[in-house]
Amino acid sequence: AAGVIQSPRHLIKEKRETATLKCYPIPRHDTVYWYQQGPGQDPQFLISFYEKMQSDKGSIPDRFSAQQFSDYHSELNMSSLELGDSALYFCASSSQALGGYTFGSGTRLTVV
Amino acid sequence: AQTVTQSQPEMSVQEAETVTLSCTYDTSESNYYLFWYKQPPSRQMILVIRQEAYKQQNATENRFSVNFQKAAKSFSLKISDSQLGDTAMYFCASLSNTGKLIFGQGTTLQVKP
Repeated sequence: AAGVIQSPRHLIKEKRETATLKCYPIPRHDTVYWYQQGPGQDPQFLISFYEKMQSDKGSIPDRFSAQQFSDYHSELNMSSLELGDSALYFCASSSQALGGYTFGSGTRLTVV
Repeated sequence: AQTVTQSQPEMSVQEAETVTLSCTYDTSESNYYLFWYKQPPSRQMILVIRQEAYKQQNATENRFSVNFQKAAKSFSLKISDSQLGDTAMYFCASLSNTGKLIFGQGTTLQVKP
């Protein structure tokens, strides 16, 4: 069965650079969620999209932005990267009609 | 606001023994969902078990079962016949009405041979 695909798996950036993380949800899933998990921390909700519209927003810095495209994939854009942005970024998808809540394997971002 | 609390940062258990991980939560929702996720060293988030609040029967998945005490807002996870592969971080989580998951702080479980 198809799963949630995240790319890249690993990313190394320097301070003040920009990073773009991509998420491809399970087919027919209409909702995408982004989470940030710092070292030794629990995942923290950043933002979600339903049918290409932002549906909820958590503790996402103003330097971050995200969107969901017509094919339902989502991208998380992170600018002016800081050392503290180093974390594992998870994407998850679900369907309002079909249910399910599946996580991708995550993107490990390291800011040096 | 919904909150989830795991008060056991670390637990250990001998292989083949039983261990219980604790979780308490707070919510104003009348119907809600609770989850236990496993995060092994690979950092993948793996769903272990889910419970729907309106169902009084405790969920069970093979060696994993929950003790759901709705009035006490308690949702503990019991792992029977522990295996070395159960070594992982375990997160308790509740699902908000907007679909986001709210996680507890996590419990690191070490299964010893």
